[in-house]
Amino acid sequence: AQTVTQSQPEMSVQEAETVTLSCTYDTSESNYYLFWYKQPPSRQMILVIRQEAYKQQNATENRFSVNFQKAAKSFSLKISDSQLGDTAMYFCAFFYNQGGKLIFGQGTELSVKP
Amino acid sequence: NAGVMQNPRHLVRRRGQEARLRCSPMKGHSHVYWYRQLPEEGLKFMVYLQKENIIDESGMPKERFSAEFPKEGPSILRIQQVVRGDSAAYFCASSATQLAATDTQYFGPGTRLTVL
Repeated sequence: AQTVTQSQPEMSVQEAETVTLSCTYDTSESNYYLFWYKQPPSRQMILVIRQEAYKQQNATENRFSVNFQKAAKSFSLKISDSQLGDTAMYFCAFFYNQGGKLIFGQGTELSVKP
Repeated sequence: NAGVMQNPRHLVRRRGQEARLRCSPMKGHSHVYWYRQLPEEGLKFMVYLQKENIIDESGMPKERFSAEFPKEGPSILRIQQVVRGDSAAYFCASSATQLAATDTQYFGPGTRLTVL
C-alpha cells in the first residue's frame, strides 16, 4: 500500500525568506507522480507543482521548487521569497497509473509572517 | 474555460436525512474523483468514476454512500441517513484522461456538509 507522510504539522516563515516543507512516501511502484497542492483559507485545492518519478531533474515553478530524492523516497517543497499569499495548508500527494487516485499526506500548515 | 463546479457549497442536514452533492467536471473531462476531508485531516479518496461507470470505489463506506456519473449531467455523491460523523468537506476533481503523464486532477471548491 502507498503512504505519504508529512512530519511537520505547522511551520512559519518571515516574508521574503525561504522555507522547505518535507514529505516522504512509501511505494513499491517504479512509475509514479508526486504533487504539492495548496489549500488557502478559501479551502480551494490548488496545484502548486508536479514531479514525474522517471525524471531526474527537479521540477520548478517560479518561486516553488522541489527536491526529489527517489532512492530516499523524499519529496520536499522549497518556497523562495515567501509572500503573505503563500499562507495556506500544503498537501503532498502521490499518484500511480494503475491507482487512479491521489494519496494525500496529512498536510503542513504554513504561516507567512510580515 | 470554467473550472470544476460543485454545488451546493454549504449543505446542512439533520441526522437521518439525505445529502446529495453535485459535481460538474471541467469541459472535456470525463474522469471524476470524489475525496473527503474530515476536520484537521488530509483528503481521503472515496470513488473514481468515468461516464456511466464506477472504476474504483475502494474508499467508499460500504453503507449509505453511493456515487454516479450519468451520460448527461453532473456526477452525484449521495449520502443516505446522514450521521454527525459525515460532517466534512467533500471535494470533486476531474481529469481529461486517467494517465497522470499528460494530465492532472483539477479540484472543485468543495461542498461543506454539516450534520446537526
